[in-house]
Amino acid sequence: EVQLVESGGGFVQPGGSLRLSCAASGFTFSSYEMNWVRQAPGKGLEWVSYISGGGTTIYYADSVKGRFTISRDNAKNSLYLQMNSLRAEDTAVYYCARVYSVWGSRGFDYWGQGTLVTVSS
Amino acid sequence: EIVLTQSPGTLSLSPGERATLSCRASQSVSSSYLAWYQQKPGQAPRLLFYGASSRATGIPDRFSGSGSGTDFTLTISRLEPEDFAVYYCQQYGSSFTFGPGTKVDIK
Repeated sequence: EVQLVESGGGFVQPGGSLRLSCAASGFTFSSYEMNWVRQAPGKGLEWVSYISGGGTTIYYADSVKGRFTISRDNAKNSLYLQMNSLRAEDTAVYYCARVYSVWGSRGFDYWGQGTLVTVSS
Repeated sequence: EIVLTQSPGTLSLSPGERATLSCRASQSVSSSYLAWYQQKPGQAPRLLFYGASSRATGIPDRFSGSGSGTDFTLTISRLEPEDFAVYYCQQYGSSFTFGPGTKVDIK
């Protein structure tokens, strides 16, 4: 059974840092592209960052570029998001999501339960 | 950057009715690169369609996806009680933008 379990969320002051983790199981982690997606309270989904299976291709949303860093450790079946210079507008539930890819079509087929990050003074 | 617009913002319907949700892109999107998701309160999103019209595993056939270019549609032929939720479209190119969502609620 595919499982994605996020951890590392919490309360942090503006300007602070947090590192989120996503533990993957039930599939060959290194074969899958992964993403972080966030959802502010009562708002819609916002894609945050993408990383290829080998970690060589990375993309970021403009809203987090230069502040957040995505990485993965395929030996540990884990995905990470290092978040620096946090702002109040980064407050959200953060989900990790796996990319399903077939014949060039893609979708995020498995999602974790999310971890809440609250940035406030 | 491609911007997605979804309409209507809220759709109030009764069980058994047909729901038609629209997703419009600011520029042409390859059909291969358009997905739809369903999200219920307190839950993670669920993939409904990838490639605009390919149903994900376990999605009932009352759901259908269609469209091309800049206009895409998600149709629910007969609403079941469990279908009342928020629906998002997503495009993926060099980024993976989501639309703002359409809430389908009970009339």
